[in-house]
Amino acid sequence: GQSLEQPSEVTAVEGAIVQINCTYQTSGFYGLSWYQQHDGGAPTFLSYNALDGLEETGRFSSFLSRSDSYGYLLLQELQMKDSASYFCAARPGGYQKVTFGTGTKLQVIP
Amino acid sequence: SAVISQKPSRDICQRGTSLTIQCQVDSQVTMMFWYRQQPGQSLTLIATANQGSEATYESGFVIDKFPISRPNLTFSTLTVSNMSPEDSSIYLCSVEAGTGENEQFFGPGTRLTVL
Repeated sequence: GQSLEQPSEVTAVEGAIVQINCTYQTSGFYGLSWYQQHDGGAPTFLSYNALDGLEETGRFSSFLSRSDSYGYLLLQELQMKDSASYFCAARPGGYQKVTFGTGTKLQVIP
Repeated sequence: SAVISQKPSRDICQRGTSLTIQCQVDSQVTMMFWYRQQPGQSLTLIATANQGSEATYESGFVIDKFPISRPNLTFSTLTVSNMSPEDSSIYLCSVEAGTGENEQFFGPGTRLTVL
């Protein structure tokens, strides 16, 4: 089976940096994705890591360590609009279904 | 990329009735996915719909309760049958757009309330 664990809630100050962790246990592993979902909205894709290391996309970066079965999403220069839920997601193989993590609700405060 | 629309956006239904949710994609895709999301919870995959074949259901979901149609490469429907209040949830349609980056695109969702 697949399981991806995340902290349920994180609070951070506007302008700061926050890290959202994801630890996974999967029977196989193809890569780790991150999605953002605002209240009442649909999940939207943020990033994907197939290889170990850091991927940077603007204010957002994502990191993967296959040996540790661990990844994180790093959000820099936090803005109020970053308040949302964030989900990691993984698939065991190239054409197999994706499993989503438990989700982290990020609250950005002034 | 892919743009997905769903109908209805929300509905309030009586227990024992059925509701069919439609999902339309602006491009042809091989697989379409149906998810359920309880408020404040993660996404749970109900089934994968392939054109021309029976849908593949995940553990805990059965065809009699959630029949799925996939008549062509841009359209799918999910029916929630014989509804009970436990079926109250958001139902999301999703596709992979084949970008090579394992990106899934989601429809806006259907918010279902069963009384």
